[in-house]
Amino acid sequence: SQQGEEDPQALSIQEGENATMNCSYKTSINNLQWYRQNSGRGLVHLILIRSNEREKHSGRLRVTLDTSKKSSSLLITASRAADTASYFCATDASTGNQFYFGTGTSLTVIP
Amino acid sequence: ETGVTQTPRHLVMGMTNKKSLKCEQHLGHNAMYWYKQSAKKPLELMFVYSLEERVENNSVPSRFSPECPNSSHLFLHLHTLQPEDSALYLCASSQFSGQGNYGYTFGSGTRLTVV
Repeated sequence: SQQGEEDPQALSIQEGENATMNCSYKTSINNLQWYRQNSGRGLVHLILIRSNEREKHSGRLRVTLDTSKKSSSLLITASRAADTASYFCATDASTGNQFYFGTGTSLTVIP
Repeated sequence: ETGVTQTPRHLVMGMTNKKSLKCEQHLGHNAMYWYKQSAKKPLELMFVYSLEERVENNSVPSRFSPECPNSSHLFLHLHTLQPEDSALYLCASSQFSGQGNYGYTFGSGTRLTVV
């Protein structure tokens, strides 16, 4: 299917540690995005990486994309308790105008 | 607020009721979406409207009926729902061009419970 799959499903770390989440997908894409969702709320867009880019940074976030392996990773450095949320990757089809989401990684940052 | 407003935030309805979910975007985007989020499942794309025309309908049951009267408003009309339709319903908007989609802005969602 088109949707991305996040790994691990759940991650628990201590405040100050780094958190790494991975996403794999199956078909060619134009863009890959990462979103965050706090419990019971809507998703918030974090970062978009295009298929011709390999790495992107935004504050404490670092996203990599390996199109040969059809995978992406999201690194959150120096985590904070406020980073506790679910994180989703979303991929688009090379011809489509919608994104497909996985089941997400649930991140818990322990103060 | 993200620029996409959904009402109501919570809704409890019986299986014989008729209700509507409302979404409004203030971002000037040209595409709007309905997603369903159930526990332990990927977000399910239900409907896509681009330039007020429905361009996607992923085999959603007819008890869900979308309406997009203009580029800023999107409705999801509900009737004779089933308990398994209980979920978080998310509206999103985006600006789509021939070069692709620049990311979604989501509303806070409507938590629907069917009893």
